[in-house]
Amino acid sequence: AQKITQTQPGMFVQEKEAVTLDCTYDTSDPSYGLFWYKQPSSGEMIFLIYQGSYDQQNATEGRYSLNFQKARKSANLVISASQLGDSAMYFCAMREGPNLGNQFYFGTGTSLTVIP
Amino acid sequence: DADVTQTPRNRITKTGKRIMLECSQTKGHDRMYWYRQDPGLGLRLIYYSFDVKDINKGEISDGYSVSRQAQAKFSLSLESAIPNQTALYFCATGRGRTNTGELFFGEGSRLTVL
Repeated sequence: AQKITQTQPGMFVQEKEAVTLDCTYDTSDPSYGLFWYKQPSSGEMIFLIYQGSYDQQNATEGRYSLNFQKARKSANLVISASQLGDSAMYFCAMREGPNLGNQFYFGTGTSLTVIP
Repeated sequence: DADVTQTPRNRITKTGKRIMLECSQTKGHDRMYWYRQDPGLGLRLIYYSFDVKDINKGEISDGYSVSRQAQAKFSLSLESAIPNQTALYFCATGRGRTNTGELFFGEGSRLTVL
């Protein structure tokens, strides 16, 4: 089974609108971390936001928020007030187990295009 | 200067050639990773290392080898490159004792095997 599933290969959003990028995960470990990374066309991987499995509140970082629904095993990224510079690939990732030692699993990514 | 530096950034080679991709970091992290990225497949783990004496295979280690020469250096070798190893390769680092444990990536090395 896939550890991380991103079902939206491509998404479009109008500039200044909000957009939600979907991510579901699969783990039986009670301790895990969820991450979102942005990959612009230049290729680098940029860390955006983190959510720990024991965190009670949804993570937020500026215009990014993570909609964490533990029972559904989903960790959707919400980008508010989209900007042209948000056009990029977005990857959801999971670190399974406590942070001292474990592999990261990445989804296949969602390509976001912001339309002027 | 980048905290995680990969060399070369781009390389074109022929089938059967030996290739080494190098990674160095100034972040002082103990953990280092090599991933490859293919369109539609996301990032897949090749090898990872939690310290100089600890090397572990990832999900797609066949055809690759690594060397952790120092805490700051982790190189990936393709002993005999083949066309399906054409991909974008990323080195990443991480710190064991941290609240979040996120990975920090280099800028990537694009390898083309003809």
